[in-house]
Amino acid sequence: DAKTTQPNSMESNEEEPVHLPCNHSTISGTDYIHWYRQLPSQGPEYVIHGLTSNVNNRMASLAIAEDRKSSTLILHRATLRDAAVYYCILRGQYGQNFVFGPGTRLSVLP
Amino acid sequence: NAGVTQTPKFQVLKTGQSMTLQCAQDMNHEYMSWYRQDPGMGLRLIHYSVGAGITDQGEVPNGYNVSRSTTEDFPLRLLSAAPSQTSVYFCASSYGTGLSPLHFGNGTRLTVT
Repeated sequence: DAKTTQPNSMESNEEEPVHLPCNHSTISGTDYIHWYRQLPSQGPEYVIHGLTSNVNNRMASLAIAEDRKSSTLILHRATLRDAAVYYCILRGQYGQNFVFGPGTRLSVLP
Repeated sequence: NAGVTQTPKFQVLKTGQSMTLQCAQDMNHEYMSWYRQDPGMGLRLIHYSVGAGITDQGEVPNGYNVSRSTTEDFPLRLLSAAPSQTSVYFCASSYGTGLSPLHFGNGTRLTVT
């Protein structure tokens, strides 16, 4: 699976939008972009995934660059509960395993 | 719906002891996997299974055994615990491979002294 690069940490103020970037310059045409997050003392949880088009769900939005070499996870209004480590992962449509990097630790300030 | 259940939540072992970490899921998921997470690091895959009777090694399999006799259960065995195996262990499952999201348990925190 291709590698992703994320900032080690980011800060946001409560109730403001947060844009979490992910670079994946070696992405292949069949790789999907997945985002997971890990709240303190919990296992990771699924956030969103996409291939080419931007995606929205109740938790977040995923904006994918036209060349697919980068993507951004958007939290529209950060809450204190969104403080977590966010992982950007590439996985082929028929890939078996997720490879987790160190992720981005998001702090949300009240 | 319980999801993915891991037991125990905490465990302390002495070097050389053996134990089994339990993982059970009630979602009829074919795919199950074990990860370990060391402080400040991402998760590393230990072993995985794509169905009952089928297991394979991940990135860091040494010192661990697994078996998959039923769809629901995927235990992880430490044969002879070492301090380097001190970590938090997560079990995860999904319907299959590809696009199915992983569902994680809440982890087992293991300390080997």
